[in-house]
Amino acid sequence: QLQLQESGPGLVKPSETLSLICTVSGGSITATSYYWGWIRQPPGKGLEWIGTVSYRGATYYNPSLKSRITISVDTSKSHLSLKLTSVTAADTAVYFCATFRETDIDRWGQGALVTVSS
Amino acid sequence: SYELTQPPAVSVSPGQTASITCSGDKLGDKYTSWYQQKPGQSPVLVIYQDNKRPSGIPERFSGSTSGNTAALTITGTQAMDEADYYCQAWDRNSYVFGTGTKVTVL
Repeated sequence: QLQLQESGPGLVKPSETLSLICTVSGGSITATSYYWGWIRQPPGKGLEWIGTVSYRGATYYNPSLKSRITISVDTSKSHLSLKLTSVTAADTAVYFCATFRETDIDRWGQGALVTVSS
Repeated sequence: SYELTQPPAVSVSPGQTASITCSGDKLGDKYTSWYQQKPGQSPVLVIYQDNKRPSGIPERFSGSTSGNTAALTITGTQAMDEADYYCQAWDRNSYVFGTGTKVTVL
């Protein structure tokens, strides 16, 4: 069964770059039926879509974050990555990696809490 | 940008029916999905494409849509259904989430 696991630093300093990796296991990251992507949830708040990518590299980003984010797939490592630049305290959140279908999100990772603080 | 609005909270007695609404411009023209999130856990898809249930989701969860509003209905609500629920739609290459509804089973 397909599983997703987020990893990366739990603490990032303001103005620096947040980097997370999602490891895909139990299935192929080259599966054409899925897009892969990220969603975040600030503590005590709702869900926010960050962006999605196909294994071929086609990307869709949240317009409100587009200037700061890069999402990519490394098929050789079965990794999905997220980079968010120039972070502030407002970027403190649990970051989820997920599989996206055309209209919905059918599988989520456990989530990784990233705190932005000096 | 597209917005989806949900009531902040819904209360229901065990065994009764809970209904959660989600409103958005021309939402009926799009597919709506629903997610359940319990404290400290990842969201779980409970309804997709308006009214389809993924494998393993109990029949007491159902979805509907009409005009600008989608609804998630939990029939015969159980204590285990107490959670936050989010609607979601896909609009112009973006996945948009609703504001979320906390369902309390009293």
